[in-house]
Amino acid sequence: GQSLEQPSEVTAVEGAIVQINCTYQTSGFYGLSWYQQHDGGAPTFLSYNGLDGLEETGRFSSFLSRSDSYGYLLLQELQMKDSASYFCAVGSAGKSTFGDGTTLTVKP
Amino acid sequence: DTGVSQNPRHKITKRGQNVTFRCDPISEHNRLYWYRQTLGQGPEFLTYFQNEAQLEKSRLLSDRFSAERPKGSFSTLEIQRTEQGDSAMYLCASTSADRAAYEQYFGPGTRLTVT
Repeated sequence: GQSLEQPSEVTAVEGAIVQINCTYQTSGFYGLSWYQQHDGGAPTFLSYNGLDGLEETGRFSSFLSRSDSYGYLLLQELQMKDSASYFCAVGSAGKSTFGDGTTLTVKP
Repeated sequence: DTGVSQNPRHKITKRGQNVTFRCDPISEHNRLYWYRQTLGQGPEFLTYFQNEAQLEKSRLLSDRFSAERPKGSFSTLEIQRTEQGDSAMYLCASTSADRAAYEQYFGPGTRLTVT
């Protein structure tokens, strides 16, 4: 089966940088995805790493190390609207398995 | 296309009743997924379809749950003899087969409350 671990909560101030880590154990691994979910909303896709290294999309970057079964999501220039839950998800065999999410609180 | 839609958005039912939810995916997507999410947890995989074929069903899914996608477009999820433990948000997501493992588009969900 698959299991993912990520911190349950992170707090940071506006304008800062925050890193949300994710470690996983899985079989048939294709890649690591990140999703954002605001309270009461649906998860929305942020980024994907199929290969080792860093992927950058605007203020968000995501990193993967397959050898360490580890990845992270980096959020820069934090804004209040970034307060949300962030889920890492392992893709394998046509489906995704999600972690339990990290609640990010951005304070002024 | 306006994205993935789900109906109803909220459903309150009494224990023992049957409920059915509908999901309309993004039209060009051939893969459709159902998830269940409870407070403080990530989406939990239930089942998925490629076109009209149901390719996988979670082992955790009781036989009270059934899903269909009869024409490869919209899908329905039925829960029979609901229990209080079925109370959750039921999410539908769609994607194309080449992106299925990593980039899914979610609908707003149906929140089920079993009293």
